[in-house]
Amino acid sequence: EVQVVESGGGLTQPGGSLRLSCAASGFTVSRNYLSWVRQVPGRGLEWVSVIYADGNSYYADSVKGRFTLSRDNSKNTVYLQMNSLRADDTAVYYCARDRSGSNYFDPWGQGTLVTVAS
Amino acid sequence: QTVVTQEPSFSVSPGGTVTLTCGLSSGAVSTNYFPSWYQQPPGQAPRTLIYSTNTRSSGVPDRFSGSILGNKAALTITGAQADDESDYYCVLYLGSGISVFGGGTKLTVL
Repeated sequence: EVQVVESGGGLTQPGGSLRLSCAASGFTVSRNYLSWVRQVPGRGLEWVSVIYADGNSYYADSVKGRFTLSRDNSKNTVYLQMNSLRADDTAVYYCARDRSGSNYFDPWGQGTLVTVAS
Repeated sequence: QTVVTQEPSFSVSPGGTVTLTCGLSSGAVSTNYFPSWYQQPPGQAPRTLIYSTNTRSSGVPDRFSGSILGNKAALTITGAQADDESDYYCVLYLGSGISVFGGGTKLTVL
């Protein structure tokens, strides 16, 4: 079964860091695009970042310079390192395979909640 | 900054047809933006409906269809059912790895 499972969410203070993991099964992350999408509770979806099969990564302006994507091919896992966290980064973070490199997000994980608060 | 626009809310009667749209703050949406549509029932993760303008994702009933209408992408639901009541999001690919979601449309079936 093709699926992704996020982990690593939790509570951190403003200015802190967290690393989210997206573990994939049923497909190889090194040959696919993986995106992160977040959602403030009760609000809409926001595209955050994507890592391409060639290793290049791209970010929304709201997180550029603070978030970094990486990949461990041996664990078939993608990581989202989040630094200098702010209150407005509080959201459920979803990982999704991008099957086309242009918005065909499937499957989605169940999401992991990140709360940034003092 | 590019803003993707969607109707905040829409209502449709059971069995009726509704068309949700997805526009750009400046310019027209074309197939080059690879518009995709996602359905998100309350408390659940999003589900893929349509990608690359008009291709249905696996298992999506043909009541859902995507198109370009004028200068916007569109999602049409025919024969609306009660369980179609959800939030619907479009997303556009702007190029250079960047995508942007619309604000979402809350669809009520009543």
